[in-house]
Amino acid sequence: GENVEQHPSTLSVQEGDSAVIKCTYSDSASNYFPWYKQELGKRPQLIIDIRSNVGEKKDQRIAVTLNKTAKHFSLHITETQPEDSAVYFCAASQRDSSYKLIFGSGTRLLVRP
Amino acid sequence: EPEVTQTPSHQVTQMGQEVILRCVPISNHLYFYWYRQILGQKVEFLVSFYNNEISEKSEIFDDQFSVERPDGSNFTLKIRSTKLEDSAMYFCASTPEDNSPLHFGNGTRLTVT
Repeated sequence: GENVEQHPSTLSVQEGDSAVIKCTYSDSASNYFPWYKQELGKRPQLIIDIRSNVGEKKDQRIAVTLNKTAKHFSLHITETQPEDSAVYFCAASQRDSSYKLIFGSGTRLLVRP
Repeated sequence: EPEVTQTPSHQVTQMGQEVILRCVPISNHLYFYWYRQILGQKVEFLVSFYNNEISEKSEIFDDQFSVERPDGSNFTLKIRSTKLEDSAMYFCASTPEDNSPLHFGNGTRLTVT
């Protein structure tokens, strides 16, 4: 089955700097890759997603890139702000597989003011 | 914007007791899911449900677990005989079709003592 590895487990950046979180997946049949942000005690919230027919997607300060050949995808946050501090999870699924999302282990991002 | 709602927000139960976690999916959605998150760990898929039957389940979803859509609005997860290791946050989610992003409810924190 699918396995998703996520790095780093913790990331500390200065406000205004960029943050990059990387994930690799094992199943070449996976074709949908969402990213979720989870604040302490709250539900994961979808912040951006990408499908396998696209190499890059951007939404304001957030971007995701996908390299299907290497089976990895990354989240890029530019101009980080203290409110970006949270745990970020990547996930992968096969769209034909009734939305069985396989999550990475999470990255705790701390943005220092 | 409509949301998935879950009740209760926190459930405390003794080991060996049965619990039922309740979810009200968004009204026009057809696909329903349960995920769980043990404290400090990643989100894990439990089960997906479509057309009044389980479409996929994980290894975690053993015979102690069951799901039901007893009426047109509720979607429940039952744990027949709870164990200490069932303590986790349980998230419900729903989607209108098999091509839409997954949005989670606020979760039910289950504590088994």
